[in-house]
Amino acid sequence: GIQVEQSPPDLILQEGANSTLRCNFSDSVNNLQWFHQNPWGQLINLFYIPSGTKQNGRLSATTVATERYSLLYISSSQTTDSGVYFCAVGLSGGYQKVTFGTGTKLQVIP
Amino acid sequence: AAGVIQSPRHLIKEKRETATLKCYPIPRHDTVYWYQQGPGQDPQFLISFYEKMQSDKGSIPDRFSAQQFSDYHSELNMSSLELGDSALYFCASSSEDSPTYEQYFGPGTRLTVT
Repeated sequence: GIQVEQSPPDLILQEGANSTLRCNFSDSVNNLQWFHQNPWGQLINLFYIPSGTKQNGRLSATTVATERYSLLYISSSQTTDSGVYFCAVGLSGGYQKVTFGTGTKLQVIP
Repeated sequence: AAGVIQSPRHLIKEKRETATLKCYPIPRHDTVYWYQQGPGQDPQFLISFYEKMQSDKGSIPDRFSAQQFSDYHSELNMSSLELGDSALYFCASSSEDSPTYEQYFGPGTRLTVT
């Protein structure tokens, strides 16, 4: 099956700092989503981004499908950004299950 | 906008009991997926349905079964529960009429087996 790797596995930031999270995947995909899992376990959908660049407030994401990676940028981090960030990918060829990466655990300290 | 609904949100069962988790997809979504997330792990795919037919199967134990009904809601039935079944169970839905392959996740059901 497809391999999905995220880095770094853990990240501690001072409030106000910027960060970049990376997701590498091993095959062609037609679905790539970034999620933030909050302390209550809910998966908050951040971006659907199988290719290209999107921005939403302090967050932006870029996927370079030909090179099989995606980046999530968090600017001016806040304590509420803490949690686990997952990327999840679906293989090309129709509507498929998604495979999650192992996540990046982010802690933003005041 | 309507989201994916899961019930119950929390469930506590004893070993060897049975549990039923329910998922109500976004209206007009025809595909439902189930995922299991153990403590400290990433979500893992269990099973999916498209138009009431099983479309894909992951590492779902034989003790688990699922189906999708005519109104597109889905139920995950779990029997002979084990301590290791304690996890967050997510349901997601998508539509083959959508221009994207995006999956929409529900809030999850937290199952605790004691």
